[in-house]
This record gives sequence, C-alpha cells and structure tokens, in this order.
Amino acid sequence: SYELTQPPSVSVSPGQTAIISCSGDKLGENYACWYQQKPGQSPVLVIYQDTKRPSGIPDRFSGSSSGNTATLTIRGAQSMDEGDYYCQAWFGSTGVFGSGTRVTVL
Amino acid sequence: QVQLQESGPGLLKPSQTLSLTCTVSGASIRSGSYWWCWIRQPAGKGLEWIGRIFTTGSTNYNPSLGSRVSISLEPSKDQFSLKLTSVTAADTAVYYCARCTAMEGFDPWGQGTLVTVSS
Repeated sequence: SYELTQPPSVSVSPGQTAIISCSGDKLGENYACWYQQKPGQSPVLVIYQDTKRPSGIPDRFSGSSSGNTATLTIRGAQSMDEGDYYCQAWFGSTGVFGSGTRVTVL
Repeated sequence: QVQLQESGPGLLKPSQTLSLTCTVSGASIRSGSYWWCWIRQPAGKGLEWIGRIFTTGSTNYNPSLGSRVSISLEPSKDQFSLKLTSVTAADTAVYYCARCTAMEGFDPWGQGTLVTVSS
C-alpha cells in the first residue's frame, strides 16, 4: 500500500512563509493535490496538479514538486490560514491522503 | 455551483450495515467525466479514501476495506450511495462525499455526516 508522509506540525509567524512537505514512493509519477481543513469544516482544495490554484484560492498558496516530494508553500501566512493541511495523490485507481500537517500561525 | 449533501443514519450497532447517500445538486451525476468519491475521518484523525464510482458505474475501493464496501449510482435522482457491512467501532467517523478526478482533485466536498457505531 502507498503512504504519503507529512510533518505533524508547522508553526509560522504572521507574514512569514510556511512550507509543508509531502513525500512518498512514486509520488513523483503522479500529481499531488492539497487540501485545507479548518476545525469543524469540510476540506477545501487549495492546489491541484502539483501547482495549480482553484479559483478563489489566494495566490499566497503555491505548490511545487521535485522527485518524490510535493510541497505546499504559504507566503505571507495569515491567522486565517491556520488549520490542517493534507496532500493527496492517486496511485493507479487508489486514492491516498497524506498524514496531515497542523499549521499554526503565531 | 455543484453542491453535495450526505444523508443517512447517524447511529449503528456493531455488525450492522452502514448506508449513506450523497445527493448532488447543480450538476447531473450522469454527465461529464467525473468520479464521485466517499472519504471518512475519525475524530481527531486524518482523511481516509473509501472508494469512488464513475458516471458509467465503474468502481474502485480502498483495499484496506476489502469486500465490506460497495458504492452505487442512482442517476435518476443524482445520487450515489455507500454501503459498508459488518461495522465496528473502528468505522465511527465523519463521512464525506466529494466529486473527485485525478486531474482536478476532490472538489467540492459535502458537509460531512457523523456515523457512530456503538452497542
């Protein structure tokens, strides 16, 4: 089975840059997506196809990919960006979510 | 815009079958090249993909759930459903439905519904 590994937590000061990694075997052969989930809410797609941003997502969110690691970057982090972030990829016909990263802005 | 809404019983006893329905509005479930997914999240834990169904009825499931899981379409009602048999306390979670594609991710998501398995 496939696994996607993320750091459990990332802390960032307001206005600074938060970087979240997602790594897994053969991830580089597949597109990664990223989701933001705030307490008590459903996840929201913030990045798809490694680097693309859905309409309505602020441009401070960006994605990249290198080798078997995908990265979500939040530039100029704001308090509203606090929450849990999950990466996700398809391995063949199986969907896999990352372990999740809690982002704290303080 | 496309919206999804989960519905179904919130409390089950061990060994019963979990049955949930996702109603899609703002789009026809029969049109387009979309997959429709179920995902769950135990309290305080991460997201787990359960399975997906295509507009043609083709399905894929999380191998970890084995033969307990099945997903079906009700195209005339713009609904798709989840069945999970022989539930245990480990199946207690918030269950989400979402439109899902390999290229565009899981978007949008339903609001989620809590299913508790307890004797």
